[in-house]
Amino acid sequence: GNSVTQMEGPVTLSEEAFLTINCTYTATGYPSLFWYVQYPGEGLQLLLKATKADDKGSNKGFEATYRKETTSFHLEKGSVQVSDSAVYFCAQGGSEKLVFGKGTKLTVNP
Amino acid sequence: DAGITQSPRHKVTETGTPVTLRCHQTENHRYMYWYRQDPGHGLRLIHYSYGVKDTDKGEVSDGYSVSRSKTEDFLLTLESATSSQTSVYFCATKGGSDSNQPQHFGDGTRLSIL
Repeated sequence: GNSVTQMEGPVTLSEEAFLTINCTYTATGYPSLFWYVQYPGEGLQLLLKATKADDKGSNKGFEATYRKETTSFHLEKGSVQVSDSAVYFCAQGGSEKLVFGKGTKLTVNP
Repeated sequence: DAGITQSPRHKVTETGTPVTLRCHQTENHRYMYWYRQDPGHGLRLIHYSYGVKDTDKGEVSDGYSVSRSKTEDFLLTLESATSSQTSVYFCATKGGSDSNQPQHFGDGTRLSIL
């Protein structure tokens, strides 16, 4: 069946460091891919998405590129801030349901 | 997000009691979902609805039932709560069946069963 695998956390970085959170998927066909972010005590918010191969989603300095050949959708940010501390979820979407990775907790220290 | 309100936001109850959680949306979205979030498990789908009175099971549906009598409301019921159902529950909505459309999430209900 369809699945999403994220790098396990937690990830701890210093402010202004470069961030990569790896995400790979298995699917039949070509799903849409999403990154969600969850701040403490809140629900998930859509961070970015890509709907076809080679698409790049971007938002708030975060980027991810849909790589069909490696079935990956890695999240990157060039310079993280303390306010980026949160849990990040990668997901793939079909017509009705999403399949989520288990989440990666990021802590950014000043 | 997407006008989703979950109620209550927090609840503490005892084993064996019935519990109903409510999700209300103002966006006229066709799809509604209930998830639970537990450490080490991420988000797991309990039930979802693809229209009024149309529902289907998710991966962890045992012990839960749902109802959707109108577009804006989706109820999750624990008929006889057990301690294993202590969790944070999230409701989500989605406008239509286009796979490009994301789901939008409420702020969650923290449920503790003692």
